[in-house]
Amino acid sequence: AQSVTQPDIHITVSEGASLELRCNYSYGATPYLFWYVQSPGQGLQLLLKYFSGDTLVQGIKGFEAEFKRSQSSFNLRKPSVHWSDAAEYFCAARANQAGTALTFGKGTTLSVSS
Amino acid sequence: ETGVTQSPTHLIKTRGQQVTLRCSSQSGHNTVSWYQQALGQGPQFIFQYYREEENGRGNFPPRFSGLQFPNYSSELNVNALELDDSALYLCASSFGDGANVLTFGAGSRLTVL
Repeated sequence: AQSVTQPDIHITVSEGASLELRCNYSYGATPYLFWYVQSPGQGLQLLLKYFSGDTLVQGIKGFEAEFKRSQSSFNLRKPSVHWSDAAEYFCAARANQAGTALTFGKGTTLSVSS
Repeated sequence: ETGVTQSPTHLIKTRGQQVTLRCSSQSGHNTVSWYQQALGQGPQFIFQYYREEENGRGNFPPRFSGLQFPNYSSELNVNALELDDSALYLCASSFGDGANVLTFGAGSRLTVL
């Protein structure tokens, strides 16, 4: 079955420190991959996406993610975290065919300490 | 360009009742998807509507049903509410059947007592 796993439920990072959120996927073929962020009372906002090509993807708000086929991973990174980055982060995947839906991981809650 | 709007934002129902949630798509979008997000979980796909037809469904029972209207707005209906239906219901719109980028609304928070 297709699945997305986010191993870390909750991560706390000091403001200004670097961040890496992990994501692993299990699909028959390489899916399309996404990272979304959800702040309290807000919908999901797309941070970045990977379809093909360059395995290092740049997104909004200074985030980037690296696709590693050999590890079936798509980890999200940010060099320097700001307090406003505290939120819930979701990795998602979708098979490369029309009519298929997003499969989400369970999310990682990011807390930022001062 | 307006985004995806959902109503109501919060509502409380009792077990066995029926509920209708509404979603207005982003301008120019013709596809609507609905997701259920239980507390502490990632969103789960309920179904998708493209050009007023359901063209994809997740693992949800038939008491979850929907509609898409000619203006591409949509409704999610849930009959015979159960306690486990308590969740945030997210609507997302996109352009085209195979669209890869979804625009999500802020959601409707349903509490079933």
